[in-house]
Amino acid sequence: NAGVTQTPKFQVLKTGQSMTLQCAQDMNHEYMSWYRQDPGMGLRLIHYSVGAGITDQGEVPNGYNVSRSTTEDFPLRLLSAAPSQTSVYFCASSHRSRREGRLWTGELFFGEGSRLTVL
Amino acid sequence: GQQLNQSPQSMFIQEGEDVSMNCTSSSIFNTWLWYKQDPGEGPVLLIALYKAGELTSNGRLTAQFGITRKDSFLNISASIPSDVGIYFCAGRGGGSNYKLTFGKGTLLTVNP
Repeated sequence: NAGVTQTPKFQVLKTGQSMTLQCAQDMNHEYMSWYRQDPGMGLRLIHYSVGAGITDQGEVPNGYNVSRSTTEDFPLRLLSAAPSQTSVYFCASSHRSRREGRLWTGELFFGEGSRLTVL
Repeated sequence: GQQLNQSPQSMFIQEGEDVSMNCTSSSIFNTWLWYKQDPGEGPVLLIALYKAGELTSNGRLTAQFGITRKDSFLNISASIPSDVGIYFCAGRGGGSNYKLTFGKGTLLTVNP
C-alpha cells in the first residue's frame, strides 16, 4: 500500500496563478483533510471531507477550494495564489470511525507534504 | 476557536535522558493524540488517548489524558538520537466534531 500520496512535492508559483495540490489514498478511508504548516504555527486545518460528495471548512479555508468526487482523491485548489499561502501543505486521511457507532478518533495518516512558494 | 498551549517549544537533551512535554487547553477535549514529525516528512501518530485519566505506553513513550480533560503530557524515557523531531499534541472536541486542534509543537534535539 502506498498510503497517502501527495503531488507535487515542491511548487513555485507567481502571485495570481492557480494550481491544484493532489492527494490520493489507497486505504479506503472515508475521512480526508488538508492542513497547512507554518513556522511557529503548528498544523492548521484548511478543509476536510467525511465522504465522497461531502466537504466542510476548517480553521483557515479562505483562498482554497476542495471537492471530493471519489473516496480516494481529495484535491486542494488555489484559485489565485498569494504570498501568504507560502507554506507546507499536508493531506491526511483516516477511517470515519473505529467501528460502527463510534465517533471519529482523529487517528490521521499524513502524506509527506507539498512545499509551496508563492512569489 | 479552541487553542492548545504546548510546552516547551524546544528541548536540547543528552542521549539517555528522559523527556517530558505537555499540552493544556481552556476547552475540554474528548480525545488527545500525540504525533511525531521527522524532518521532511509528515506527522506520524504515536499515542491516542480516549478517556480522562487514561495512561498509555508505546515502548519508551508514555502519555496521559488529564483528569480535567484540559491537558495531556508525553514522556519519553532513555532518549536516543532517532527521537529527534517535532512532537505535536492534538485534541478533538465533543459531539460529531471532525476537527483536530494541534499544538504548535515541541522541537526535540538529542545530543549523542
